[in-house]
Amino acid sequence: AQKITQTQPGMFVQEKEAVTLDCTYDTSDPSYGLFWYKQPSSGEMIFLIYQGSYDQQNATEGRYSLNFQKARKSANLVISASQLGDSAMYFCAMRPYTGGFKTIFGAGTRLFVKA
Amino acid sequence: GAVVSQHPSRVICKSGTSVKIECRSLDFQATTMFWYRQFPKKSLMLMATSNEGSKATYEQGVEKDKFLINHASLTLSTLTVTSAHPEDSSFYICSARKGPTTAGNTIYFGEGSWLTVV
Repeated sequence: AQKITQTQPGMFVQEKEAVTLDCTYDTSDPSYGLFWYKQPSSGEMIFLIYQGSYDQQNATEGRYSLNFQKARKSANLVISASQLGDSAMYFCAMRPYTGGFKTIFGAGTRLFVKA
Repeated sequence: GAVVSQHPSRVICKSGTSVKIECRSLDFQATTMFWYRQFPKKSLMLMATSNEGSKATYEQGVEKDKFLINHASLTLSTLTVTSAHPEDSSFYICSARKGPTTAGNTIYFGEGSWLTVV
């Protein structure tokens, strides 16, 4: 079965500190993509970062980096130098590229950044 | 955990025809459902918010007459793309809110539907 697990329903972090949001996944597909989205209170889903299953290096996008450990099936999001505007819901998602076109989302982690 | 099912997962239709996508919350009642459209590796664009028993609230720029949203019950919302054109080809995702409309509620996503208009 294909599944995404985000074990942290809520996280607190001090402004300017780094925070790691956990994401583990389960799939039997050899090829897949991993995504992280940020959802502010406005409801839109903002794409943050993408990691392909065959990518050799961990993806980075500005203050966002993805700690991809394929053997452990984890794709944790690291946000460096947290800002107050980072307070939002964060969703991890996986899209297998063989045998189907579905995207599986995790339940999300609500991040609170404290001043 | 809560499950949101979308159907079909993939659909191909001819230009000019209409296609319906269903979003069901299988084990909880969802008073609010959301419809998104995604472009490759890009953000999900919120199209509309659907509340059971009332008209959907569309985001600015989304054509209400083209993307018909119906939320007839607490477990089902449908998106109908009317008179589809190739530019409507996209990945459509729904989500359902479990719980009251407070900051502590949880939103569950469907697995998405790929629409290809030929």
